[in-house]
Amino acid sequence: QQQVKQSPQSLIVQKGGISIINCAYENTAFDYFPWYQQFPGKGPALLIAIRPDVSEKKEGRFTISFNKSAKQFSLHIMDSQPGDSATYFCAASATQGGSEKLVFGKGTKLTVNP
Amino acid sequence: DAMVIQNPRYQVTQFGKPVTLSCSQTLNHNVMYWYQQKSSQAPKLLFHYYDKDFNNEADTPDNFQSRRPNTSFCFLDIRSPGLGDAAMYLCATSSGGRTEAFFGQGTRLTVV
Repeated sequence: QQQVKQSPQSLIVQKGGISIINCAYENTAFDYFPWYQQFPGKGPALLIAIRPDVSEKKEGRFTISFNKSAKQFSLHIMDSQPGDSATYFCAASATQGGSEKLVFGKGTKLTVNP
Repeated sequence: DAMVIQNPRYQVTQFGKPVTLSCSQTLNHNVMYWYQQKSSQAPKLLFHYYDKDFNNEADTPDNFQSRRPNTSFCFLDIRSPGLGDAAMYLCATSSGGRTEAFFGQGTRLTVV
């Protein structure tokens, strides 16, 4: 059972364009929604995260939009750059006994062409 | 400065030969996780520790075991690696609650 569905699987945008990646979840117990960026051969690194009490969070060129009623959230990368080319994972977690179990989406491979 | 360190970065082991992967952290985080990531797939949680409490995922094979001798170190033991266990193994830590999980660089395991 896939708890977090992510789309698209791959995305190609031109430099300067907007990249949009979408995720949907089912478990209403999820209360933390991070996005991770992963370069080849490296571990994932936190990019930006949101909690369900806000509908949008912006950090530089990266914005998360969150729709609690639809159980959907998305990542927008404004002014996409070739250095943004990486795999992006959305994730969700529910606090369990003080720790979180992060469940990842399947990932989106982003390619930004110069 | 590296905060979650995994050793080795690359490990080649023989089919059926036990192998141990290690993870250390300088963050003093309570929670340590082990994930398995196969090529072009999402990381899959194998198990995690909240302090000394071990939490195994229901679908983690018995072939995978873990030890956490102290706050800083955590080990992944694969008792009898099969070809299907070839993957990147990621260690992560967090301070619990709704906080960031920090990942190591991973250990890429090859089974020959």
